[in-house]
Amino acid sequence: GAGVSQSPSNKVTEKGKDVELRCDPISGHTALYWYRQSLGQGLEFLIYFQGNSAPDKSGLPSDRFSAERTGGSVSTLTIQRTQQEDSAVYLCASRQGAGTDTQYFGPGTRLTVL
Amino acid sequence: AQKITQTQPGMFVQEKEAVTLDCTYDTSDPSYGLFWYKQPSSGEMIFLIYQGSYDQQNATEGRYSLNFQKARKSANLVISASQLGDSAMYFCAMRGNQGGKLIFGQGTELSVKP
Repeated sequence: GAGVSQSPSNKVTEKGKDVELRCDPISGHTALYWYRQSLGQGLEFLIYFQGNSAPDKSGLPSDRFSAERTGGSVSTLTIQRTQQEDSAVYLCASRQGAGTDTQYFGPGTRLTVL
Repeated sequence: AQKITQTQPGMFVQEKEAVTLDCTYDTSDPSYGLFWYKQPSSGEMIFLIYQGSYDQQNATEGRYSLNFQKARKSANLVISASQLGDSAMYFCAMRGNQGGKLIFGQGTELSVKP
């Protein structure tokens, strides 16, 4: 009965480097979301995957951000050429699917860009 | 545009007393969902309670209840018999009808005093 897991839990990187953040949703959950939590902006939606449909990328702040979801399960959020303003906690959530509303969150990845 | 407002940045409550955390929302969608999440200092977002816009009765989950007043567009969280472990940030969120992404309020930091 595992919940949503994310790795790494902490990531420190240098400005300009690329980073990859991983999310393992709850088994059987078809919907997966990425959010970002920062002091200045609060909690913001980034991207949403539902089954085999095209993802909703409307929350991605720039083209340096991208995400993919392989096999309808694990998702990777990639940030290229990181900037200091990318420093935040990146939260992943999953939802069972149609007819259910509740999103269950992982523990997050704290990203620090030096 | 959809918006969630939490007007109480911080709240104090005495252990064993009840406390109400305020949340108002704005949406033109006829169908929406309202959530409360708890975020302790560890950082994980813990789902507490959900209210659908068409639900006739207020949601309850153990010591948590949601005081849903649709005409006033408010969805206040009531915690009865506060415990020291209730000290945390509390976020009100709304699910819109575009894929279920959540829109969050700014949060209320609750401190329970012994």
